[in-house]
Amino acid sequence: NAGVMQNPRHLVRRRGQEARLRCSPMKGHSHVYWYRQLPEEGLKFMVYLQKENIIDESGMPKERFSAEFPKEGPSILRIQQVVRGDSAAYFCASSPGGTGYTSGANVLTFGAGSRLTVL
Amino acid sequence: GENVEQHPSTLSVQEGDSAVIKCTYSDSASNYFPWYKQELGKRPQLIIDIRSNVGEKKDQRIAVTLNKTAKHFSLHITETQPEDSAVYFCAASMGGGYQKVTFGIGTKLQVIP
Repeated sequence: NAGVMQNPRHLVRRRGQEARLRCSPMKGHSHVYWYRQLPEEGLKFMVYLQKENIIDESGMPKERFSAEFPKEGPSILRIQQVVRGDSAAYFCASSPGGTGYTSGANVLTFGAGSRLTVL
Repeated sequence: GENVEQHPSTLSVQEGDSAVIKCTYSDSASNYFPWYKQELGKRPQLIIDIRSNVGEKKDQRIAVTLNKTAKHFSLHITETQPEDSAVYFCAASMGGGYQKVTFGIGTKLQVIP
């Protein structure tokens, strides 16, 4: 099991460009989460998705940011018209999901992160 | 939504001493409380977790306690070692179909040899 795969690991963009970050969850996991981490700061929740469905996007800025988790392929976090303040590490995590009080249903496994630098 | 507060933000202990990190949560529906360790430049990794039907859980030198009435939970590390130096995050989550996991701000633990 390759774990949660994120790419690119490092991405450099100039102001105004677009950034696309990809996340492939662990095999068998149907839930994906995106978190942003600024230097010396905590993990700030952005969005929580299931296949083809956004469950909670309350932590994601309304403008310029979007996320998807299509039926086939990885989850994608897209940042349009990047600004310097978008520079951060973006971590993806996945979980098995499930309904009811299921042991392990919401245990997160993190990817290695994608570090975005905006020049 | 859920709000998780964590303290202290930084903690320095001598090697061999104990370290305690405390967290509180706001949503009484939360029933799953994991702890993650993040070494410098690495991904957060689960070190221990506890569910609301359990008051305490121990794994070698680490233990977690949960007080559902007071809505707080703690991480205890005994006989600290330099390799315990890292940032530790507490988190809270509800079970069922909605499983958003909310993290605390993190505690930077430094173990001084």
